[in-house]
Amino acid sequence: DTAVSQTPKYLVTQMGNDKSIKCEQNLGHDTMYWYKQDSKKFLKIMFSYNNKELIINETVPNRFSPKSPDKAHLNLHINSLELGDSAVYFCASRHVRATRNTGELFFGEGSRLTVL
Amino acid sequence: AQKITQTQPGMFVQEKEAVTLDCTYDTSDPSYGLFWYKQPSSGEMIFLIYQGSYDQQNATEGRYSLNFQKARKSANLVISASQLGDSAMYFCAMSTTWDSSYKLIFGSGTRLLVRP
Repeated sequence: DTAVSQTPKYLVTQMGNDKSIKCEQNLGHDTMYWYKQDSKKFLKIMFSYNNKELIINETVPNRFSPKSPDKAHLNLHINSLELGDSAVYFCASRHVRATRNTGELFFGEGSRLTVL
Repeated sequence: AQKITQTQPGMFVQEKEAVTLDCTYDTSDPSYGLFWYKQPSSGEMIFLIYQGSYDQQNATEGRYSLNFQKARKSANLVISASQLGDSAMYFCAMSTTWDSSYKLIFGSGTRLLVRP
């Protein structure tokens, strides 16, 4: 009964390829995020969507394109993969309008991307 | 700009003893939230505890407590009676605005190792 699920969990690919990571949440949340965790474990926000609308777009190369077909799904497509894209990508969600909401993000298990 | 600082890259603690993980923050917003997450070696991000900037009392969740000192801008995590399963990376995080552009920004993490 996974709350935030990501696929695939592991992805190994060659430089220059295009790949996608999918995320789905069944919590009824209206805001979803992509975070990148680098090799030094530093977590940095990339994007957020609220009800399918792009809200946060941090300084991310335009090779990264998020897409939210509905508020339960947020996918991440990466074009022309580079070595530096190797990282763990976390999807997360939150309900903005909850009345009792501490504001924590619910994270997926992460997708480890390795670019060779 | 908001910033979270964790100055302890790694720490050891003896099983059954208490340990404090340090976190300081910087923000000019009057309203904010502070969070701690645990990331075990399996990689998932586990929410531990939350403290609101206007909360009068320090937050507690089981063996976890947050030592919130607002004037010093610190939000240290105290783990009592450490267990071997507490060995993990611990991240301090801070929320930004409470509108739709809400996000968490994370510190660099502290790796805790519990010795038997």
